[in-house]
Amino acid sequence: DGGITQSPKYLFRKEGQNVTLSCEQNLNHDAMYWYRQDPGQGLRLIYYSQIVNDFQKGDIAEGYSVSREKKESFPLTVTSAQKNPTAFYLCASTPGLAGGEQYFGPGTRLTVT
Amino acid sequence: SQQGEEDPQALSIQEGENATMNCSYKTSINNLQWYRQNSGRGLVHLILIRSNEREKHSGRLRVTLDTSKKSSSLLITASRAADTASYFCATDGNQFYFGTGTSLTVIP
Repeated sequence: DGGITQSPKYLFRKEGQNVTLSCEQNLNHDAMYWYRQDPGQGLRLIYYSQIVNDFQKGDIAEGYSVSREKKESFPLTVTSAQKNPTAFYLCASTPGLAGGEQYFGPGTRLTVT
Repeated sequence: SQQGEEDPQALSIQEGENATMNCSYKTSINNLQWYRQNSGRGLVHLILIRSNEREKHSGRLRVTLDTSKKSSSLLITASRAADTASYFCATDGNQFYFGTGTSLTVIP
């Protein structure tokens, strides 16, 4: 099956801890994206990566970090500096950055208490 | 800031009726896309319309684009209970921007 996987589906953490969300794709896509979605809201772009070892900040990058060491993988770390980390996190990919259909993973719901 | 904004925020219709959702955006685009999201799930791509197209059809979906008004509409004809979901428009200028979504409820 081709697609994007995110794990885990639900994640619980204590305040002050860093947590890393996994995103893997086997679509051979160059570009990958991380979005945050809050209840009743649209998606806001956190980070995106067009190519291995390169990534760009989106609109709400503060308190987050990413890496892109492999084409297939784009993990997101939610650091303790993120003031309101509880949200639904979605990973997506496209063949390139030139637009076109985005393929989404199933999402990870992070709850920080 | 978000590029797209859907209208209405919520829509409730009877099965068999048509559902129309609108999207307005702010800057020039390469193309506009519509996505569907079932509760607690990822988004699924529905249709893409390029900036030089005015109308596109896919099954029961019809999308229009008016670049002069910076707006698009999504029409779902003969709605079904399974169409219940949130619908988002997304624009891609130099990066993707998603709207706030329309929550559609189709009552059996």
